[in-house]
Amino acid sequence: DSGVTQTPKHLITATGQRVTLRCSPRSGDLSVYWYQQSLDQGLQFLIQYYNGEERAKGNILERFSAQQFPDLHSELNLSSLELGDSALYFCASSAGTEVPYEQYFGPGTRLTVT
Amino acid sequence: QQPVQSPQAVILREGEDAVINCSSSKALYSVHWYRQKHGEAPVFLMILLKGGEQKGHEKISASFNEKKQQSSLYLTASQLSYSGTYFCGTEVGDYKLSFGAGTTVTVRA
Repeated sequence: DSGVTQTPKHLITATGQRVTLRCSPRSGDLSVYWYQQSLDQGLQFLIQYYNGEERAKGNILERFSAQQFPDLHSELNLSSLELGDSALYFCASSAGTEVPYEQYFGPGTRLTVT
Repeated sequence: QQPVQSPQAVILREGEDAVINCSSSKALYSVHWYRQKHGEAPVFLMILLKGGEQKGHEKISASFNEKKQQSSLYLTASQLSYSGTYFCGTEVGDYKLSFGAGTTVTVRA
């Protein structure tokens, strides 16, 4: 158990819908990262937040957005869902960002868009 | 740009050694190694910063050749628990980790 929690574990929804994925980092960790893992694209970095502020952005679609709240939990919002958005979404946390820190991954949310 | 990992897959018997390579076309600041078992989340193994240091984790070690932008992960005297997919993640100082496609390691008794 990494100490990172993600909810829900599974999510099945229809095309065009909007969903919210939630992540709680390890106690004391200030950074949260979101990743998408699919069979054809592998593990892709989406976005990183540090202490409530966006720190780095990867290949995140405009239909996706995220935020980190004052209590450091984070949410990833996916809207206008398409079949290709079906994937495993991981949240990871680390202590900081000034020096590359190891990232601890949560169990993931499996999203299925039908 | 994703780093390139090789080989794509390797099958070992317990006690055998293996090397997984990771190369990038960019100047790297750090290289991260993770292992993911089927249906589970990636688990951190080690991180190497530029400087060519070598690190170890149990009987798994890694090196980072900063000049060649390459890193290698060494599995020594493999155990059944080493089975899984190994990913290297590379970072160029922009906080964005780019992962390779992974190397699937199967260790058989």
